[in-house]
Amino acid sequence: AQKVTQAQTEISVVEKEDVTLDCVYETRDTTYYLFWYKQPPSGELVFLIRRNSFDEQNEISGRYSWNFQKSTSSFNFTITASQVVDSAVYFCALSGNTPLVFGKGTRLSVIA
Amino acid sequence: KAGVTQTPRYLIKTRGQQVTLSCSPISGHRSVSWYQQTPGQGLQFLFEYFSETQRNKGNFPGRFSGRQFSNSRSEMNVSTLELGDSALYLCASSQLTGIRANVLTFGAGSRLTVL
Repeated sequence: AQKVTQAQTEISVVEKEDVTLDCVYETRDTTYYLFWYKQPPSGELVFLIRRNSFDEQNEISGRYSWNFQKSTSSFNFTITASQVVDSAVYFCALSGNTPLVFGKGTRLSVIA
Repeated sequence: KAGVTQTPRYLIKTRGQQVTLSCSPISGHRSVSWYQQTPGQGLQFLFEYFSETQRNKGNFPGRFSGRQFSNSRSEMNVSTLELGDSALYLCASSQLTGIRANVLTFGAGSRLTVL
C-alpha cells in the first residue's frame, strides 16, 4: 500500500528563517511520482512540484528547493528566507498504481 | 483560462438529508477526481471519473456517489448525511486518467457542515 508520512504537524518560524518540511513515503512500485502541494487559507491546493522515481536530482525554484533521496524514501522541501506569504498547509503526495495519496500535511506559520 | 469551479462553496445540512456538490473542470480536462478533507483523516480519495465513467473509487460507503456528464462536469452526492460527513470536499481535474504523472488542478472546495 502507498503511504506518505509528514511527521511535522505544525511548524512556526520567524520571517527570513529557513525551514524544511519533511516527507517520507512507502511504496512497492518501481515507477512512481512525488508531489508537493500548498494549501493557503483559501482552501485551494496549489501544485508546487512533481518528481518521478527515476530522477533524484535536487531542484531549486527561487526560494524553494526539494531534496529527493530514494535511499531513505524521502522527498523534503526547503523554503529559504521564509516570508509571511508562505504561511499555509503543505502536502506531500505519492502517485503509483493508485490515485494520488496525500500525507496529513504540515501547517507552516511564518511570523513577521 | 478559468480554473476548477466548485459550487456551492459553503452549505449547512442536517443529519439524514442528502447533498449534491458540483464541479466544473478546466476546459479541456476530461478527468475529475474528488477528495474529502477532514482534520482527523486528512485528504482522502473519493472517486475519479473520466469520459463519464468511474475509473477509481476510494474506501467510502455507498452513501457517497458521483457522476460525470458529457461536458466533463461532475457532481457528487452524499445521502443520509451523518455528522462525520462534515468536511471540505475538493474536486480536481486533469487532462488524462490513469497516468501517474498527472498534475491535478484543484478547486477551492465545498465546505459541508452537518448539524
